[in-house]
Amino acid sequence: NAGVTQTPKFRVLKTGQSMTLLCAQDMNHEYMYWYRQDPGMGLRLIHYSVGEGTTAKGEVPDGYNVSRLKKQNFLLGLESAAPSQTSVYFCASRTTGSSYNEQFFGPGTRLTVL
Amino acid sequence: GQSLEQPSEVTAVEGAIVQINCTYQTSGFYGLSWYQQHDGGAPTFLSYNALDGLEETGRFSSFLSRSDSYGYLLLQELQMKDSASYFCAVRTGTASKLTFGTGTRLQVTL
Repeated sequence: NAGVTQTPKFRVLKTGQSMTLLCAQDMNHEYMYWYRQDPGMGLRLIHYSVGEGTTAKGEVPDGYNVSRLKKQNFLLGLESAAPSQTSVYFCASRTTGSSYNEQFFGPGTRLTVL
Repeated sequence: GQSLEQPSEVTAVEGAIVQINCTYQTSGFYGLSWYQQHDGGAPTFLSYNALDGLEETGRFSSFLSRSDSYGYLLLQELQMKDSASYFCAVRTGTASKLTFGTGTRLQVTL
């Protein structure tokens, strides 16, 4: 099992450019999440999904869009990148059920917007 | 909204015991999680408390008091590899969303 993978690992964008970050999980998890982490801060939830075809806004959704067309994939889009979106982006997934409380994180994507 | 407070830095000697505290204010509380993150790495799950009391997993233990909105992570027999950032996170809502604290950077010294 690869667990949670993220593509790309690093990216540099110019202001106004667009890009899509891909998250894939092979654990058949229902729930998936996108977070951003800025220096010296905790992770902040951008968007999340509780199943294929469903998405919802998290704490800091502005400037991002997401799609969950397949259960194993969760895409994060930046339509017009801004320097404030320079961050490390983590994807996570989790199975359902109250007995399972662990979110599994991908290795992260380090994004710089110039 | 939710807010969590934890110390920004803690330093301890190898072999010692260290406690990292976390206080929170939230609505719709389900439980308190702890995650470890090494520099340049991804967060990894350590523990989860939904009920009051102590949960032990090897050298790590986690405690929760729901009435005090307080929890802590206890690390025993510290090793150099424990040097990392530790985040508490409250779980809220039916989608098991997590709100993270800003993290405690633990440095283990010789």
